[in-house]
Amino acid sequence: QVQLQESGPGLVKPSQTLSLTCTVSGGSMSSGGYYWAWIRQHPGKGLEWIGYIYYSGNAYYNPSLKSRLTISIDTSQNQFSLKLRSVTAADTAVYYCARGYGASVPDYWGQGTLVSVSS
Amino acid sequence: QSVLTQPPSASGTPGQRVTISCSGSSSNIGINSVNWYQQLPGMAPKLLIYSTNQRPSGVPDRFSGSQSGTSASLTISGLQSEDEADYYCAAWDDSLNGQHVVFGGGTKLTVL
Repeated sequence: QVQLQESGPGLVKPSQTLSLTCTVSGGSMSSGGYYWAWIRQHPGKGLEWIGYIYYSGNAYYNPSLKSRLTISIDTSQNQFSLKLRSVTAADTAVYYCARGYGASVPDYWGQGTLVSVSS
Repeated sequence: QSVLTQPPSASGTPGQRVTISCSGSSSNIGINSVNWYQQLPGMAPKLLIYSTNQRPSGVPDRFSGSQSGTSASLTISGLQSEDEADYYCAAWDDSLNGQHVVFGGGTKLTVL
């Protein structure tokens, strides 16, 4: 059973970079066809797709975040990461990492981590 | 605003049948299958229905999905108190900006 766990600071100052890591256990990240995604949920709001990456390193970003976003993967550590630059209060949200396969939506999700942007 | 459109709320009494709608466009639901997530308070979303009408292992058959054109629906038969949750539809969207998953704004289901 694959498990995902987000980690990173719970508080980030405005204009700084939000950095999160997702550690995957119970399965190999190098298996073909899987993608590794980040999704966020603003307080009391719906879900927002951030982007995703394949084990090859090819990453695809939500156009609305693309200019500030980098998603990377380290299969040797069974981890993938999110960096969101120049954050504002509007980036305060619960951030989830998740796994999907092929043309399917993500089936396994992490528990989520709340990141607040505040001075 | 969300790419997919859902009613913000729905309700029903135990034992009733409830249907939640999801409306999209030709770049998402019109060409890709719809999926549904259930989110209990304080929890991560759980995949409830995938590929329009398939249930992951462990999901009761009270939950069913359908899709036609650019719309889809989730039906819960024999509503139970533990079904009180937020429900989100999701689908891949194919556009000039690439392929991404888009979500509905969520429907809060209340069991009266």
